[in-house]
Amino acid sequence: SQQGEEDPQALSIQEGENATMNCSYKTSINNLQWYRQNSGRGLVHLILIRSNEREKHSGRLRVTLDTSKKSSSLLITASRAADTASYFCATRAGGSYIPTFGRGTSLIVHP
Amino acid sequence: ETGVTQTPRHLVMGMTNKKSLKCEQHLGHNAMYWYKQSAKKPLELMFVYSLEERVENNSVPSRFSPECPNSSHLFLHLHTLQPEDSALYLCASSQDFTQMGNTIYFGEGSWLTVV
Repeated sequence: SQQGEEDPQALSIQEGENATMNCSYKTSINNLQWYRQNSGRGLVHLILIRSNEREKHSGRLRVTLDTSKKSSSLLITASRAADTASYFCATRAGGSYIPTFGRGTSLIVHP
Repeated sequence: ETGVTQTPRHLVMGMTNKKSLKCEQHLGHNAMYWYKQSAKKPLELMFVYSLEERVENNSVPSRFSPECPNSSHLFLHLHTLQPEDSALYLCASSQDFTQMGNTIYFGEGSWLTVV
């Protein structure tokens, strides 16, 4: 069954605004990863956050993890048109080695 | 360029055809994966190979047949598919199947249309 679910399903913002998307999951995890997918292309890894970490930064990306709420958020600051893509969270539940993905959040950044 | 190459990028096949999707990774990884991505659905894991051995078969119909001749190559053989099998098929690899912090590297995908 699906482990992670991204929210919202779609997000439309103007260039320069911040974009926040969330991921909720069902069971305990070892780590959580965020991926990006440009339309019709493969997924690209963005950032990994471990279960003992609460926040992580990479450039304009900020990821938080709240294991008590079983949720994570991805914040893209000062968004650009080139950030237009779908964003997925991937989790490995419990002792599983297999990452599972949600349906993704489709982000559109208008120039 | 992610180091994972998939061919063909686009494939149209009839329901009685036999075709194959090919994946090659140039990253020296030990694990390879096939995922299916359909519109409005979560990414579905189909198969996982670790050191050329299949370690996961996610209740995939037998009309999909994977083959992993070595750790760099992965095939998905397709036979008597249905229109609902039309999707983007993504190949991926990771350094080691058993590492929890593994990053998955994806290819660009093969768009399959079954007519």
